[in-house]
Amino acid sequence: KNEVEQSPQNLTAQEGEFITINCSYSVGISALHWLQQHPGGGIVSLFMLSSGKKKHGRLIATINIQEKHSSLHITASHPRDSAVYICAVRLKDSNYQLIWGAGTKLIIKP
Amino acid sequence: KAGVTQTPRYLIKTRGQQVTLSCSPISGHRSVSWYQQTPGQGLQFLFEYFSETQRNKGNFPGRFSGRQFSNSRSEMNVSTLELGDSALYLCASSGAGRRDEKLFFGSGTQLSVL
Repeated sequence: KNEVEQSPQNLTAQEGEFITINCSYSVGISALHWLQQHPGGGIVSLFMLSSGKKKHGRLIATINIQEKHSSLHITASHPRDSAVYICAVRLKDSNYQLIWGAGTKLIIKP
Repeated sequence: KAGVTQTPRYLIKTRGQQVTLSCSPISGHRSVSWYQQTPGQGLQFLFEYFSETQRNKGNFPGRFSGRQFSNSRSEMNVSTLELGDSALYLCASSGAGRRDEKLFFGSGTQLSVL
């Protein structure tokens, strides 16, 4: 079993829909990252969370440390949100090593 | 402020050769980490450098090595290339490499081993 699991693997939705991507982990962490990767490879860090909730524009990220679970929400989704969304955790007792989820491929249709 | 710069963008090598990839972090950033991304394995951690010292290493064979210079630029070297080394190699930088810092990624080097 992978230490970081994302769901769903693939998600196709219509423009305007509310999107939720989930990330569960089984290890002790000091922080969780949500990142976005567009075709061509470039990765952009969206959020870094250690507790609670963060919001940036139409993106909201939450984390529940007790349940070892995080969600990334996109409100009023748009075709430009189409990308792979990746969750990565920074191990608590490690020297800054990141463990990555497999990613969720999101396609928003106009 | 310039972003993280990786060179070259694309590279084609043959089995048995060696390759060196370069990563220039954002000015002022001292931590550089390297990752390998393949379609089947996703992103995997290679190693991280801070102030010219390797702080952590992932589960890759000794053919994969790296170093960091005094200006924080980092290089990654892969010797005796194998077909399975074909991947996108990404580097990321952060200021002090603290656990609560965001990472800034380069565009990656796409390595193809023939």
